[in-house]
Amino acid sequence: QQQVKQSPQSLIVQKGGISIINCAYENTAFDYFPWYQQFPGKGPALLIAIRPDVSEKKEGRFTISFNKSAKQFSLHIMDSQPGDSATYFCAASRRTGANNLFFGTGTRLTVIP
Amino acid sequence: NAGVTQTPKFRILKIGQSMTLQCTQDMNHNYMYWYRQDPGMGLKLIYYSVGAGITDKGEVPNGYNVSRSTTEDFPLRLELAAPSQTSVYFCASSYGQGGNTIYFGEGSWLTVV
Repeated sequence: QQQVKQSPQSLIVQKGGISIINCAYENTAFDYFPWYQQFPGKGPALLIAIRPDVSEKKEGRFTISFNKSAKQFSLHIMDSQPGDSATYFCAASRRTGANNLFFGTGTRLTVIP
Repeated sequence: NAGVTQTPKFRILKIGQSMTLQCTQDMNHNYMYWYRQDPGMGLKLIYYSVGAGITDKGEVPNGYNVSRSTTEDFPLRLELAAPSQTSVYFCASSYGQGGNTIYFGEGSWLTVV
């Protein structure tokens, strides 16, 4: 059973466009929602994260929007660049306990020059 | 600035063989994890450890074993390899409980034939 559902599976965006990736969760005990970026042949690396006490977090061109009542959160990449081409994973965990992350299935983003 | 180091990078095993994936971290993190990544499935937690001498099962522990004799090292043992264990394996570490950044190694590609 997939604890975190992610869509779309793949995404193609023109350079300068906005990339949007969506995730949904069921477990209301989750209270930490990170996004990881993975380049081919590399391990995932933390991109940005949000806690449910805020509805939005922005870091540069990357923004997380969080809707607690809908149990959904999304990643927006503004002014997408070819260097953003990677696989993006959303994840969720509880802040108490062993910090075990439950990952979405990933979105392969391709930004076309 | 090594971070999380995994060896080997690539390995081909025959069905029924056993092997150990090595993982070491130099960040003095108390938490360590092993994930496997399969195409279209995201990352699934195999085992984790909250400190030396303490290990626990994750989502998909069957067919694997771990030990944690030191803070730095967290080897993953595959006993009686099966084709279903063909995957990319990631070791990771973090400091403290949930909500802290998890740092991943670069992965070990394992094929069982």
